Amino acid sequence: SQTIHQWPATLVQPVGSPLSLECTVEGTSNPNLYWYRQAAGRGLQLLFYSVGIGQISSEVPQNLSASRPQDRQFILSSKKLLLSDSGFYLCAWRGDYNYNEQFFGPGTRLTVL
Amino acid sequence: GENVEQHPSTLSVQEGDSAVIKCTYSDSASNYFPWYKQELGKRPQLIIDIRSNVGEKKDQRIAVTLNKTAKHFSLHITETQPEDSAVYFCAASKGSQGNLIFGKGTKLSVKP
Repeated sequence: SQTIHQWPATLVQPVGSPLSLECTVEGTSNPNLYWYRQAAGRGLQLLFYSVGIGQISSEVPQNLSASRPQDRQFILSSKKLLLSDSGFYLCAWRGDYNYNEQFFGPGTRLTVL
Repeated sequence: GENVEQHPSTLSVQEGDSAVIKCTYSDSASNYFPWYKQELGKRPQLIIDIRSNVGEKKDQRIAVTLNKTAKHFSLHITETQPEDSAVYFCAASKGSQGNLIFGKGTKLSVKP
C-alpha cells in the first residue's frame, strides 16, 4: 500500500531564516505531487505541483520554491521566511492508476516568529 | 478556470440529525468530485467521491449527490454523531490530470 511521509512534524523558525520541508511517498511510482498551505482556520491553498522529476508548476507567486529531485521526493524551500509563511503545510500525492483520488500527508506545522 | 463555492461555512446540528453541505462549481467539464474530512490538527481525509457518470453514491451514513445540469453536488450525513464534528471540504477537477479545486470548507459541529 502507499504511504506518504512529511517531516518535520512541527517547526518554529525566526523571520528571515531558511526553510526546507520534505515529503516522500512509498509504494507508488511517478505520482503527481502537491504542496498546499493552510492558514489557521482557513482553506487549502495549492502552492506547487509536480508531474515528474524536475517538473514544478507554481500556483501562487511568493518567496517559496519547490523541487523534485527524485520520483517520490518533493521538497518545499524558502531562503528567507516571512511571518505570513506560518501555517500547516500539507503534501499530497495522486497516482495515475487512481485517476483523480488524492491523498494527503500528515502535514508540517510551521510557526514563524 | 474552475471555481468551487461551498455553503454553509459553519453548521451546527444535534446528534442524530442529518447534515447537508452544498457545493457549486463553474466548469461544466469537471468530472470528479471528492469530499474530505479534516479533524482538528489532522490531515484532510478522503471520505467519499463521485464521478460525473453517476448521480448518487452512498457509503453507510454518508452520501453524495451530483446534479450536472445545475453544476452542484452535496454531502449528506445521516444520524450524525459527535465524531462527525470536523471541517469538510468539497473539491472538483476535470480529466485524469486535472488539479483539485477546493471549496473553502464547512465547519460541522455535532452537539450531543
